[in-house]
Amino acid sequence: DTAVSQTPKYLVTQMGNDKSIKCEQNLGHDTMYWYKQDSKKFLKIMFSYNNKELIINETVPNRFSPKSPDKAHLNLHINSLELGDSAVYFCASSQDAYASGRADTQYFGPGTRLTVL
Amino acid sequence: AQSVTQLDSHVSVSEGTPVLLRCNYSSSYSPSLFWYVQHPNKGLQLLLKYTSAATLVKGINGFEAEFKKSETSFHLTKPSAHMSDAAEYFCVVSSSGTYKYIFGTGTRLKVLA
Repeated sequence: DTAVSQTPKYLVTQMGNDKSIKCEQNLGHDTMYWYKQDSKKFLKIMFSYNNKELIINETVPNRFSPKSPDKAHLNLHINSLELGDSAVYFCASSQDAYASGRADTQYFGPGTRLTVL
Repeated sequence: AQSVTQLDSHVSVSEGTPVLLRCNYSSSYSPSLFWYVQHPNKGLQLLLKYTSAATLVKGINGFEAEFKKSETSFHLTKPSAHMSDAAEYFCVVSSSGTYKYIFGTGTRLKVLA
């Protein structure tokens, strides 16, 4: 069973379109994350949710809107796509680091390669 | 504040020789430290982690890392490189009481036959 899954794996779209990426984890974790990996492989946190509540929002344009319908899902919706949004987006999950008092291992999905033309 | 510096963007080794990937960190509180590996067009996989237990941490595939508080380092080593080790490696720091994981800029390991 896949621990953290993302759909779609590849997404090719035109500038100005709206698209969504879905993420699901079956690990029973409380915390989920979205990361953006640029062409130089640099990974940057975008959002983090704990028990469906937004806890990290790292100066991401408001065209990006995460939604967590339940603890196991964290979706990413992107409006008015721009060329600079082309990247690989990774979803991850972990146990609740704050409650445990210790940062726990993050488990990553396989990534979604977004190409904006 | 937390930060992590991976001192080499590229490392090349011959197959069968030792691997050393360097990582220095900065953290205001007791850090947790991780090494992840990313093979081409794949997601990230945990190699090993340090969370205040033994300072020498053993991971998967023969990798290990030593937490040195005095040097604020967490270097990754492997005695003998294998062709399948060729990948991008990320050092990550996180502090207790925060949900933030700070990634280094990555080290690309090339293994020569």
